[in-house]
Amino acid sequence: DAGVTQSPTHLIKTRGQHVTLRCSPISGHKSVSWYQQVLGQGPQFIFQYYEKEERGRGNFPDRFSARQFPNYSSELNVNALLLGDSALYLCASNLLPSVTSSGANVLTFGAGSRLTVL
Amino acid sequence: KQEVTQIPAALSVPEGENLVLNCSFTDSAIYNLQWFRQDPGKGLTSLLLIQSSQREQTSGRLNASLDKSSGRSTLYIAASQPGDSATYLCAVDNQGGKLIFGQGTELSVKP
Repeated sequence: DAGVTQSPTHLIKTRGQHVTLRCSPISGHKSVSWYQQVLGQGPQFIFQYYEKEERGRGNFPDRFSARQFPNYSSELNVNALLLGDSALYLCASNLLPSVTSSGANVLTFGAGSRLTVL
Repeated sequence: KQEVTQIPAALSVPEGENLVLNCSFTDSAIYNLQWFRQDPGKGLTSLLLIQSSQREQTSGRLNASLDKSSGRSTLYIAASQPGDSATYLCAVDNQGGKLIFGQGTELSVKP
């Protein structure tokens, strides 16, 4: 059974450009969350989506947006890229928005998309 | 506002040593606390999750404890091995699935 898959794995952009990152959750998982991890720091929560609705948003500017599709996959979009947007972007999925230790509600992370902004 | 702190930032130990990683949080109203492992350039692997009503969880050589009243958790690793070398992150959930992470402890186990 495939885990959480993210694409692309690595990409390089220049300041001012736009980027789209993609995430496919584990089959059957309906909740997807996005995190940003800057080098040397812990991940920071960006968005959570459940059943195609936004359930939560972290402290990020409006340049960051996301959506979830009917098949529960998700996209993270970042406009007007800044140097400080360089980071590892992590996607995580589980069955329900809340996290527990039981079965499908354990939060499972993908390997991430490494974004470098020059 | 919940803040999570991990001490130390980095730790180097010889193989076979038992070790403790520390995590503290400022708001005790949490749903759960998780410990993750992250290998360089990789995603996160969940190690242990402690629900707010629990005091500890064990998996193999790993034991995690939770003291909500003092805002602390520890991850105990017994008989460390070089393969345990990684960054260990703790994260608290006090908003229903939106995790707040510490900055991590980078562990190096020397053969």
